[in-house]
Amino acid sequence: NAGVTQTPKFRILKIGQSMTLQCAQDMNHNYMYWYRQDPGMGLKLIYYSVGAGITDKGEVPNGYNVSRSTTEDFPLRLELAAPSQTSVYFCASSPSTMGTESYGYTFGSGTRLTVV
Amino acid sequence: ILNVEQSPQSLHVQEGDSTNFTCSFPSSNFYALHWYRWETAKSPEALFVMTLNGDEKKKGRISATLNTKEGYSYLYIKGSQPEDSATYLCARRVSGTYKYIFGTGTRLKVLA
Repeated sequence: NAGVTQTPKFRILKIGQSMTLQCAQDMNHNYMYWYRQDPGMGLKLIYYSVGAGITDKGEVPNGYNVSRSTTEDFPLRLELAAPSQTSVYFCASSPSTMGTESYGYTFGSGTRLTVV
Repeated sequence: ILNVEQSPQSLHVQEGDSTNFTCSFPSSNFYALHWYRWETAKSPEALFVMTLNGDEKKKGRISATLNTKEGYSYLYIKGSQPEDSATYLCARRVSGTYKYIFGTGTRLKVLA
């Protein structure tokens, strides 16, 4: 049981480049989330999804896009990378509203992204 | 979007000491609060999920209480051990949504 798998673990991008951060979960969870963690700022919600085909913006969505074509996968796309997107990105999942209240999120191990 | 505040930001205690820290949040339209333990170079792990005013939950030496009327939750660690060193995060669900807003965490260092 792998849980939530994020790839890559590390990446350096040049300004203006694009990339996709991958997130996959094998727990059949309906809800998936992308957070970024900046020093001293805690975790900020970028986008979330409550099921395949359904996504919504979080607190800091600008500069990112997501899609949810399957229950398992929730990729985060960075278009035209900027230094302000240097951060650690965490993907998380939970089974359902009741499941979230019972168990909390399951987090991936994070992707450390540097934009230079 | 409501703010979740945690205090203190960081804390150093001696092994064997008991300690506690606070998560504060707007009390209106409360739905649920999570506590997470986040060790360096790992991902956050859920400790407690709390939904009812007066809730008290316990896992080993760690316990948490919830006061939804006044908008705070306390996390207690009894007899701190070096392995308790971590950042402790709380997160509150935004009423009417599926979004959780995290505090900035309390970084605990237990000195041997």
